[in-house]
Amino acid sequence: EVQVVESGGGLEQPGGSLRLSCAASGFTLGSYSMNWVRQAPGKGLEWVAYISTSRSTIKHADSVKGRFTISRDNAKNSLYLQMNSLRAEDTAVYYCARVMVRAVNNNYYYYMDVWGKGTTVTVSS
Amino acid sequence: QSVLTQPPSVSGAPGQRVTISCTGNSSNLGAGYDVHWYQQLPGTPPKLLIYGNNNRPSGVPDRISGSKSGTSASLAISGLRAEDEADYYCQSYDSSLSAWVFGGGTKLTVL
Repeated sequence: EVQVVESGGGLEQPGGSLRLSCAASGFTLGSYSMNWVRQAPGKGLEWVAYISTSRSTIKHADSVKGRFTISRDNAKNSLYLQMNSLRAEDTAVYYCARVMVRAVNNNYYYYMDVWGKGTTVTVSS
Repeated sequence: QSVLTQPPSVSGAPGQRVTISCTGNSSNLGAGYDVHWYQQLPGTPPKLLIYGNNNRPSGVPDRISGSKSGTSASLAISGLRAEDEADYYCQSYDSSLSAWVFGGGTKLTVL
């Protein structure tokens, strides 16, 4: 079964750090670009970060730029999100999502087709 | 304030048809970037519903469809069922932000 499983969430104080992990199974993570997406309690989805297969393209949302870092270890079939200088507004469920690229009639579509169940990060003193 | 604008809520009776709009601008939908739709049932992760404006992944029934024109897109669900009650999100890419962007989400209530 194709799936991703997030881990590493928990309760952390403002200013602290956490490292989230995403383990892939049923597919080779190294063959896919990946995203982190988060959802604050009772709120909508917010894209957090993107990394391409070879790490040649890495993007972070402005809200986390300079504090969070996405990375990957293809040999371990794993994706990571290093979260530093945590703030209360970072409290959310963090999802790992696979980026699928599909060609349909000479058009290339990039979308998220496999999502994990998420890991909860709570930032509070 | 989300980059893509969706109505907060829509509703319909069983068997009816509802549409959910998604409005962007010249940096995202209007620039030709595609829209994708996700369904999120209560307490579960998002699930891909439509990719590339109007393509259904295997397993998604044909009573669900998508369209895009200019800076707007829409998701249509016909033959409403109780199990369609969920939150729906549109998603695209924004070139000026250099970011993947989501709509604020629309809560569909089946009356």
